[in-house]
Amino acid sequence: EAQVTQNPRYLITVTGKKLTVTCSQNMNHEYMSWYRQDPGLGLRQIYYSMNVEVTDKGDVPEGYKVSRKEKRNFPLILESPSPNQTSLYFCASAGDRAYTGELFFGEGSRLTVL
Amino acid sequence: AQKITQTQPGMFVQEKEAVTLDCTYDTSDPSYGLFWYKQPSSGEMIFLIYQGSYDQQNATEGRYSLNFQKARKSANLVISASQLGDSAMYFCAMREDYNTDKLIFGTGTRLQVFP
Repeated sequence: EAQVTQNPRYLITVTGKKLTVTCSQNMNHEYMSWYRQDPGLGLRQIYYSMNVEVTDKGDVPEGYKVSRKEKRNFPLILESPSPNQTSLYFCASAGDRAYTGELFFGEGSRLTVL
Repeated sequence: AQKITQTQPGMFVQEKEAVTLDCTYDTSDPSYGLFWYKQPSSGEMIFLIYQGSYDQQNATEGRYSLNFQKARKSANLVISASQLGDSAMYFCAMREDYNTDKLIFGTGTRLQVFP
């Protein structure tokens, strides 16, 4: 089954404790991206990657890091989480940069930073 | 400036009725794509429908259709014969072809279908 898998789905952590949200897709997609969703703001892009070892900032990259060492994986790293990073996070993938159809989303990871 | 505007924070519709969710967009790129996603209370994002800026006909997918009015820069989602399971958050999004690296999302409309 084609899917994007995120872990953990739910996480409560404390300020400053480094955490990683993993994302893996099994569709051999080149393009992967991270979004955060906040009430009243819709989804905003954090980082994206067009292929292995190619990553770039989205609209709200501050406080986040990513890496793309393998095509299937695109982890999101919060080196020193803060309460304003409490949010619902989505990983997504697509076949290529100029996708004209569906962006495949993971199920979301709800993060709370105390 | 907002590139995607959804002016209806919430909408109610009775089961079996049709409902239109509004979306307007702003772009100077002649080539772009418009998307609608559904987010039920469980949280996942479900792709509903896509419209390309050069598509001559309005997109349709089952009970979903996209009312694309290019001159007005609107891309409203029409759901026919609403079902209780249609209760969810709905997001409109746009991809500009000069910048295909992201979808720009609106703030969403929460639809509630009542019996």
